[in-house]
Parts: sequence; structure tokens; C-alpha cells
Amino acid sequence: AQKVTQAQTEISVVEKEDVTLDCVYETRDTTYYLFWYKQPPSGELVFLIRRNSFDEQNEISGRYSWNFQKSTSSFNFTITASQVVDSAVYFCALRETSYDKVIFGPGTSLSVIP
Amino acid sequence: GAGVSQSPSNKVTEKGKDVELRCDPISGHTALYWYRQSLGQGLEFLIYFQGNSAPDKSGLPSDRFSAERTGGSVSTLTIQRTQQEDSAVYLCASSPGRSSYNEQFFGPGTRLTVL
Repeated sequence: AQKVTQAQTEISVVEKEDVTLDCVYETRDTTYYLFWYKQPPSGELVFLIRRNSFDEQNEISGRYSWNFQKSTSSFNFTITASQVVDSAVYFCALRETSYDKVIFGPGTSLSVIP
Repeated sequence: GAGVSQSPSNKVTEKGKDVELRCDPISGHTALYWYRQSLGQGLEFLIYFQGNSAPDKSGLPSDRFSAERTGGSVSTLTIQRTQQEDSAVYLCASSPGRSSYNEQFFGPGTRLTVL
């Protein structure tokens, strides 16, 4: 069965702190894709990053970085030097290549306090 | 605009009435998805279209829910005999194709309130 778990429901940090959002997934497929999306207060989800199951290289994009570890079925997201504009709900998602459905985690609500 | 659009943005209806929610995907996107997001909850998958076909209807919560897509473009989600538990934001997303590689582009959603 497919499942995505984001154990942190809500996180609050002070501006400029680093924060890591956890994502753990379950799948029986050997080939799959993982995604992170951001949903700001305005409501519209925005794609952040995708990673396929064969690519365990970590990725950095500005203040954002992602750590994919297949051994622990985790795809964690770190924001360095957080800013107020990072306040949003962040969703991790899984899509198996054998299945059209995209499974979203429950989301982590991040509040960055000035 | 080149993004996914949804209408109406807000819909208030009385229990028992039927509602239709519309989604206009990005031009050329063959895959279209409907999700439901209840207050403070994650995204619940409802249905997926590839072209005009819906290979996966497993997420529709009951037979009161139906969806169609015509011309490989616009999609309509219909909820018959609405119930208060149907109150949620209904999100539509499209992607360029069926490949699992493709990310989804989301619309702003329709907020449905059933009184």
C-alpha cells in the first residue's frame, strides 16, 4: 500500500532559524517519484521539487535543500535561514509509476515568526 | 492566464441541492486531477482523467459524486444531494501527461459550503 506520513502537524520557528520538515513514505514499487508542494496562505499549491527513486542525490536550491534516503524511506526538506514568506503548509507526495494516483501526506504547517 | 482556473471560487448551497464545479486545465495538459481538502486536512484524491477517460474513480466518496471531462479539456465535478460533510475546498490540478515524472499544476480551488 502507498502511504505518506508527515509526522509534524505544525512547526513554529523564529525567523532565520533552520527548519527541517520530515516525510516518510511507504511503497511496494521500486520505481516512484516523490514531490514537495507548498501551499501559502493564499491557498494555491505550488510545486517545489521532484525526485525519482533512483536518484538519491541531495539537492540544494537557494535556501531549500532536500535529503532523500531510500534506506529509511524518507524525503526530508530543510529550509535554511527561514523567512516569514516561508510560512505555509508543505505537502510531501508520492506517485508510483504503476499507479496514476498521487498520494499526498497530511501536510506540515510552518509558521515563521518575525 | 496560463494557469489552471476553477469556478466558482466560492459556492454556498443548501443541503440536498446539486452543485457543479468547473476546472479549466492548462492548455495541452492531458492529465487532470480532482482533490478535496477539508479544513486543516491534507489532499484527498477524488478522480483522475487521462484525456476524457477516467481510469481511476476509486477516490469518489459516494455515488453522489461524479465527474466528466469533454474535449480533453474542461472538467466538471458534480455533487448531487449535497451534505454538510461535503463542505471543503475542491482542488483541480493538471499535468502535461500521464508520466509519473510530471508535477501537477494546481488551480486556486472552489470553496464549497453546504448549509
